[in-house]
Amino acid sequence: GAGVSQSPSNKVTEKGKDVELRCDPISGHTALYWYRQSLGQGLEFLIYFQGNSAPDKSGLPSDRFSAERTGGSVSTLTIQRTQQEDSAVYLCASGHGGGGGTDTQYFGPGTRLTVL
Amino acid sequence: GQNIDQPTEMTATEGAIVQINCTYQTSGFNGLFWYQQHAGEAPTFLSYNVLDGLEEKGRFSSFLSRSKGYSYLLLKELQMKDSASYLCAVIGTGFQKLVFGTGTRLLVSP
Repeated sequence: GAGVSQSPSNKVTEKGKDVELRCDPISGHTALYWYRQSLGQGLEFLIYFQGNSAPDKSGLPSDRFSAERTGGSVSTLTIQRTQQEDSAVYLCASGHGGGGGTDTQYFGPGTRLTVL
Repeated sequence: GQNIDQPTEMTATEGAIVQINCTYQTSGFNGLFWYQQHAGEAPTFLSYNVLDGLEEKGRFSSFLSRSKGYSYLLLKELQMKDSASYLCAVIGTGFQKLVFGTGTRLLVSP
């Protein structure tokens, strides 16, 4: 595809349930990022992948949050035992990565998560 | 700590010029990005500045002063479709993590 895709576009879940959010980066991009956008707040960094490794996971808010990336492509963000404060838009971005230089990040449309 | 400040909301008239300011305080600096985000859509890349000065790209220009921790995005010949949020983001220490401001919502009226 031409851009970053994410699924589902919307997810409504009940408090305490687990959810999985998926990101398909731009083909050939080795770097992948997850951010969270809460109402009235700026985008908040969650985790960064270079290939299948996550050298920076400092933004994950709690141990209920985890992410993985397989085959250097698709990534899933898992939230266990969801809480109402987890309600937000979860955005994925990808970039060429590496090289020690600054990487332009290209964003997907996001998954809007609502925890009831 | 890291802090990115931008105005919450601005209004302007079609055909006019508008300047959206961004000030930042970050641990280290490896570049500043501007993104445009229409409601319910993905942020789209507008510009990247790492050196002081003005970068011009069509109707949009971005300026950076590293000594002042300051940037602005200049939009000329405003069109209705420019109504969107404009996000300022900085890469500080560590090349990968973007630190975002809360965004400036621009409303362009006829």
